[in-house]
Amino acid sequence: GEDVEQSLFLSVREGDSSVINCTYTDSSSTYLYWYKQEPGAGLQLLTYIFSNMDMKQDQRLTVLLNKKDKHLSLRIADTQTGDSAIYFCAESKDSSASKIIFGSGTRLSIRP
Amino acid sequence: DAGITQSPRYKITETGRQVTLMCHQTWSHSYMFWYRQDLGHGLRLIYYSAAADITDKGEVPDGYVVSRSKTENFPLTLESATRSQTSVYFCASSELGEQFFGPGTRLTVL
Repeated sequence: GEDVEQSLFLSVREGDSSVINCTYTDSSSTYLYWYKQEPGAGLQLLTYIFSNMDMKQDQRLTVLLNKKDKHLSLRIADTQTGDSAIYFCAESKDSSASKIIFGSGTRLSIRP
Repeated sequence: DAGITQSPRYKITETGRQVTLMCHQTWSHSYMFWYRQDLGHGLRLIYYSAAADITDKGEVPDGYVVSRSKTENFPLTLESATRSQTSVYFCASSELGEQFFGPGTRLTVL
């Protein structure tokens, strides 16, 4: 079956890099996403990667995909207090986003 | 307002009552979704719709009813609310790729 797993919590010091990890089970996943949820708000798409890519970089964000191990990670460089949020890993098979499977989310907290 | 909105933002109701949560989007997106978010479960899909008058069950549809008579609206009804339906409900819409989420409705069933 389809499943996306993440650790529930991560705490990092301000200025350090944060690495949030995710594993998924469906090898036919084509699109892999990272969504961010700030307190009291809905989810917002941070970045996504196609399954034929290994890496995608966007300013402070780096997404790494290991398709063989079905492992996705999100690295946030120079973590700031504004990065405190819940980060959801998600996967889907097609670009219509008609069926996205979300992980449980990783709560990132920043300590001074 | 442009975007995707949900109403009410907060609702308290009693067991057995009917409750309708509203969702409205201004982009004319084809797809719309309802999720519930609970601690330890992340987001679970309740129902989704590919177009007006087309709806499909998601992972946890029991106890919920949806309709989509107009592209921009996708109401979710709890026909007889139960305590287990206490949750935060998110509506989303999409056309290609990215799903856009509403701000959520926090529902408490006493």
